[in-house]
Amino acid sequence: GAVVSQHPSRVICKSGTSVKIECRSLDFQATTMFWYRQFPKKSLMLMATSNEGSKATYEQGVEKDKFLINHASLTLSTLTVTSAHPEDSSFYICSARDGAGTGYPYGYTFGSGTRLTVV
Amino acid sequence: RKEVEQDPGPFNVPEGATVAFNCTYSNSASQSFFWYRQDCRKEPKLLMSVYSSGNEDGRFTAQLNRASQYISLLIRDSKLSDSATYLCVTSRNQAGTALIFGKGTTLSVSS
Repeated sequence: GAVVSQHPSRVICKSGTSVKIECRSLDFQATTMFWYRQFPKKSLMLMATSNEGSKATYEQGVEKDKFLINHASLTLSTLTVTSAHPEDSSFYICSARDGAGTGYPYGYTFGSGTRLTVV
Repeated sequence: RKEVEQDPGPFNVPEGATVAFNCTYSNSASQSFFWYRQDCRKEPKLLMSVYSSGNEDGRFTAQLNRASQYISLLIRDSKLSDSATYLCVTSRNQAGTALIFGKGTTLSVSS
């Protein structure tokens, strides 16, 4: 089945540094990638939607200059948290959708998540 | 108002119990509906899709009422392994757009 590899699974960084999270679709072409953030005991909140080769569409309240999304190829999307602060500590998960919708359901496949801790 | 709202939980039940979760969604344009399961510190995993006619998968039964914008999940004969957070999920509008998650309801099944 469709697989999305997300790295790193866990990262601890110092306040003020930037962190890059990668999501790769291993056996399908991810035409659309969704990035979510989840705080403890909270729901997954959609941050942005990106389509390969175009700019990401950010949800209201998400700072696009702070959360840089690049979806330059059909198999790779990255989320960079710039100048991270402790309040950015969260669980970040990507979800990829292939153009043919061959994944399940309707082509949504999730990465395993990245737990970011900013100290 | 949140796009997807769920029972607050947590639900603590003994093995063998039947438990029901409810969910409402605010976007009438939503076309796809799912229940996901999330274990602690893990990514969500699809439990089942939800269809207008209602559908069953073993011990799990899902119902959808589009008029009331209401979704439910019934778990029969609860197992210890059912302990998890259950997420009610809709798509924003047509299939293929982002999945919108409810906050989740935590289920704890004890022996």
